[in-house]
Amino acid sequence: EAGVTQFPSHSVIEKGQTVTLRCDPISGHDNLYWYRRVMGKEIKFLLHFVKESKQDESGMPNNRFLAERTGGTYSTLKVQPAELEDSGVYFCASSLRLVGELFFGEGSRLTVL
Amino acid sequence: EDQVTQSPEALRLQEGESSSLNCSYTVSGLRGLFWYRQDPGKGPEFLFTLYSAGEEKEKERLKATLTKKESFLHITAPKPEDSATYLCAVQAEGDKIIFGKGTRLHILP
Repeated sequence: EAGVTQFPSHSVIEKGQTVTLRCDPISGHDNLYWYRRVMGKEIKFLLHFVKESKQDESGMPNNRFLAERTGGTYSTLKVQPAELEDSGVYFCASSLRLVGELFFGEGSRLTVL
Repeated sequence: EDQVTQSPEALRLQEGESSSLNCSYTVSGLRGLFWYRQDPGKGPEFLFTLYSAGEEKEKERLKATLTKKESFLHITAPKPEDSATYLCAVQAEGDKIIFGKGTRLHILP
């Protein structure tokens, strides 16, 4: 069974540019999460989808971040325009149940210059 | 505010030297506490879920325990391949899962 896959694994962009990160969850997992880890800090929650609906987006830093989940399958996280402080590793995770373990992808490392 | 604090930040042990990692939490209505292992350049990998005080789970050289305020991850006779960052996370009433900063464990051969 395929795990959670994320693309790209690493992206380097300049301040002001746009980047779109993609996440393909494990098939059948209705719950999809985005997290971010900034250097030296803990992994921080960004948002949670249940199928195609945003269940909780309280962790989204500001309106430069837009997350979508088309048809309840894959998800994208767009940053537009990117700022220096957006650099970090963005993790996607999925789960079968609302309460339970998360299965993580390997992350997308974003570097904003 | 829900909070998860892990200690120590880093730990170096000799191979075979047992020790424990701590995770203290403050949440309203704990629904689950999780331990993950993270290797460099990888995503966190699930280890254990604990749901209520007094619960224990074991896997190979690892044993996780839970009280009403903290959880311990005990490592018995560790090997170099146990070197990793160990993350603690809690799920509270709002269903959001929040993470601690982790403990970087290094086992010397």
